[in-house]
Amino acid sequence: DSGVTQTPKHLITATGQRVTLRCSPRSGDLSVYWYQQSLDQGLQFLIQYYNGEERAKGNILERFSAQQFPDLHSELNLSSLELGDSALYFCASSYGPSSYSYEQYFGPGTRLTVT
Amino acid sequence: DQQVKQNSPSLSVQEGRISILNCDYTNSMFDYFLWYKKYPAEGPTFLISISSIKDKNEDGRFTVFLNKSAKHLSLHIVPSQPGDSAVYFCAADSNFGNEKLTFGTGTRLTIIP
Repeated sequence: DSGVTQTPKHLITATGQRVTLRCSPRSGDLSVYWYQQSLDQGLQFLIQYYNGEERAKGNILERFSAQQFPDLHSELNLSSLELGDSALYFCASSYGPSSYSYEQYFGPGTRLTVT
Repeated sequence: DQQVKQNSPSLSVQEGRISILNCDYTNSMFDYFLWYKKYPAEGPTFLISISSIKDKNEDGRFTVFLNKSAKHLSLHIVPSQPGDSAVYFCAADSNFGNEKLTFGTGTRLTIIP
């Protein structure tokens, strides 16, 4: 158990809908990262927050947005969903701001299926 | 543009033998490399890492080798055990510019008892 929790575990929704994925980091960690893993793909970095502020951005679509709240939990919002958004979404947390210097601990993921 | 490549989607190895997982990268700015292990229904967990100033790092049964000139790294597991059956992801990072982990597509390792 990494100490990172993600809810829900599974989500099935229809095209055009909007969903929110939630992540609670390990106690004491200030950074939250979001990754998308599509079928037979590696994990693709989406976005990172550190202590409530956006710190780094990857290939995140404009239909997707995220935020980190004062209690450090984070939410990833996916809107106008398309079939291609079906994937595993992982959240990871670390203590510091840099992916280079601080180990990331991953949650179990949320499996999103868009029908 | 796949900057980190794991060309073998799967690998089967007899228990007790050596498992060798390979990873290639194209971005010469990468200077820190990591291996993650993933079991079904769980998130990836960090296994071992190596900085570009080294060419080898060992941790118990796990050794990572880095060949910078070939832009290639490998993970050796010896001896392989049934609990090593998992998907292994190679990842790379850079201390320059946009720090973020770039992952390969993973290799599914199956250890045959």
